[in-house]
Amino acid sequence: RKEVEQDPGPFNVPEGATVAFNCTYSNSASQSFFWYRQDCRKEPKLLMSVYSSGNEDGRFTAQLNRASQYISLLIRDSKLSDSATYLCVVKTNAGKSTFGDGTTLTVKP
Amino acid sequence: DTEVTQTPKHLVMGMTNKKSLKCEQHMGHRAMYWYKQKAKKPPELMFVYSYEKLSINESVPSRFSPECPNSSLLNLHLHALQPEDSALYLCASSSLGAGEQYFGPGTRLTVT
Repeated sequence: RKEVEQDPGPFNVPEGATVAFNCTYSNSASQSFFWYRQDCRKEPKLLMSVYSSGNEDGRFTAQLNRASQYISLLIRDSKLSDSATYLCVVKTNAGKSTFGDGTTLTVKP
Repeated sequence: DTEVTQTPKHLVMGMTNKKSLKCEQHMGHRAMYWYKQKAKKPPELMFVYSYEKLSINESVPSRFSPECPNSSLLNLHLHALQPEDSALYLCASSSLGAGEQYFGPGTRLTVT
């Protein structure tokens, strides 16, 4: 079983749609959680950190459920520019990061 | 400033060559990382440096040799690579422990 399992996708949605990505992790020593986006042939860019209380940044909402070892990302009112691969990342205090396989989102006009 | 720089952007090397990848950050971060990313796969952690000391080596073959000359610089020395080592090599930095990482643009390496 992979340490970080992510919805395989791909997700193809129309502009304006709401889309949700899910991720589960198995290492209970994991301390911090992130969502990154990666555009084709570019480096991953930090989208947001994920906190137990949930956090929101504009159209993006991230949630963490430590008991279920589950994190999620919700994108509201999708834009064409949201098309990318979304990666969930789980990190231990020792600095070991594990990436999910990524979910590809395509937003169509 | 959340910039991590990497040089070169592209590198083509033969299997008998020796080359080095370089990474620099000026964010005052004390942890730096090397990742390898193959096409359509997520980044895979190779090495972690904390306070300029190697803290994690993910069983990487010895033909990859990391070096951290100071808190801002990270090198990856390459020797006798194989064609399957062709990939995007990403450097990242973060505050220590579980802090968020910032990635450089990567070096696209081709081994012929």
